[in-house]
Amino acid sequence: DTAVSQTPKYLVTQMGNDKSIKCEQNLGHDTMYWYKQDSKKFLKIMFSYNNKELIINETVPNRFSPKSPDKAHLNLHINSLELGDSAVYFCASSQQAFNEKLFFGSGTQLSVL
Amino acid sequence: QKEVEQDPGPLSVPEGAIVSLNCTYSNSAFQYFMWYRQYSRKGPELLMYTYSSGNKEDGRFTAQVDKSSKYISLFIRDSQPSDSATYLCAMSDGDSNYQLIWGAGTKLIIKP
Repeated sequence: DTAVSQTPKYLVTQMGNDKSIKCEQNLGHDTMYWYKQDSKKFLKIMFSYNNKELIINETVPNRFSPKSPDKAHLNLHINSLELGDSAVYFCASSQQAFNEKLFFGSGTQLSVL
Repeated sequence: QKEVEQDPGPLSVPEGAIVSLNCTYSNSAFQYFMWYRQYSRKGPELLMYTYSSGNKEDGRFTAQVDKSSKYISLFIRDSQPSDSATYLCAMSDGDSNYQLIWGAGTKLIIKP
């Protein structure tokens, strides 16, 4: 059983389109995250939810909107995709907020053409 | 200057060698130090977790923290080709507004 699973694994789309990435964790964790990893492998946090409540909201274009229907799910919707959005997006979870031990999904490789 | 500096590599060593991976940081408030391993096309996985200064050993892996020098290291003994991956350091101050601060990762290649 995969602990943190995200779909799709690959996403290729045109500029201007809207797309969503879904994430689910079966670890019973309270907190979930979205990270962006650029081509130089640098990980940058985007959002974090604790028990469905937004607790971290980094400086991210408002074209990115996270949604957490319950504490086991965290989705990311991106409007009007731009070339610069191309990256790998990782979902992660931790047992509670402000816990350094993160469990990551396998990532979604987003390519905007 | 970035808060956490890590040489991106690649670092290529022969199988069986001792590997030393390092990060330096500027924020003296950091107390929690982690090493994550990331295989190609996979998410990072937590390898070592250390609080404050000192050493921690787990099998072939040893994590070392020197807070006076603001320097952390990960040593891998008897390196194996399966250790080939990118190793990311991460740290935090444990504050209520905590966030993990990440290094850029060092790509390690173990040659059979």
